[in-house]
Amino acid sequence: GQNIDQPTEMTATEGAIVQINCTYQTSGFNGLFWYQQHAGEAPTFLSYNVLDGLEEKGRFSSFLSRSKGYSYLLLKELQMKDSASYLCAVSADYGGATNKLIFGTGTLLAVQP
Amino acid sequence: GAGVSQSPRYKVAKRGQDVALRCDPISGHVSLFWYQQALGQGPEFLTYFQNEAQLDKSGLPSDRFFAERPEGSVSTLKIQRTQQEDSAVYLCASSRGTSGSRTYEQYFGPGTRLTVT
Repeated sequence: GQNIDQPTEMTATEGAIVQINCTYQTSGFNGLFWYQQHAGEAPTFLSYNVLDGLEEKGRFSSFLSRSKGYSYLLLKELQMKDSASYLCAVSADYGGATNKLIFGTGTLLAVQP
Repeated sequence: GAGVSQSPRYKVAKRGQDVALRCDPISGHVSLFWYQQALGQGPEFLTYFQNEAQLDKSGLPSDRFFAERPEGSVSTLKIQRTQQEDSAVYLCASSRGTSGSRTYEQYFGPGTRLTVT
């Protein structure tokens, strides 16, 4: 089976930095994705990691350690519009489709002025 | 270019009715996925198509759920004899699939919010 854990809620201040952690247990790992989802909207792709290390994309960075089953999403210079749910999703060989995603429950981030 | 579109955006069904939800993926995307998302939860996998072939339907909750993609483009998720527990947002996503060790990202449609009364 697969197990993906991330905090349910986080609060941060506008202009600050926040780190959202995700741990997973799976075999046949094919990659880890982060998605952003505003209330009532579709998830939108933020980042993809398949090798260990840090991927940086503007204000957002994502880190992966495959040996530890651990990833984090780092958001810098927080803006009010960053208030959303952040979904960690793992792609693995699940015995059927090799690129389906298993999602965590999402971390609801509230950015305060 | 055009993204993934879904219709209807909202559907209210009486318990026992059949519903059909439509997904138009991004042109050229071979992979198509259906997910179910309950309030406050992450999307849960329902089924997967590669072109017109349904390769994985392990997430469909019961035999009342049926999906098809007959020409490898538009897909329809059908729910027969709807029950209250079917109330959720149904998301469709498409992607380029995989290439070597790379798994391409999935692009999601806006979803269909189904309410069964």
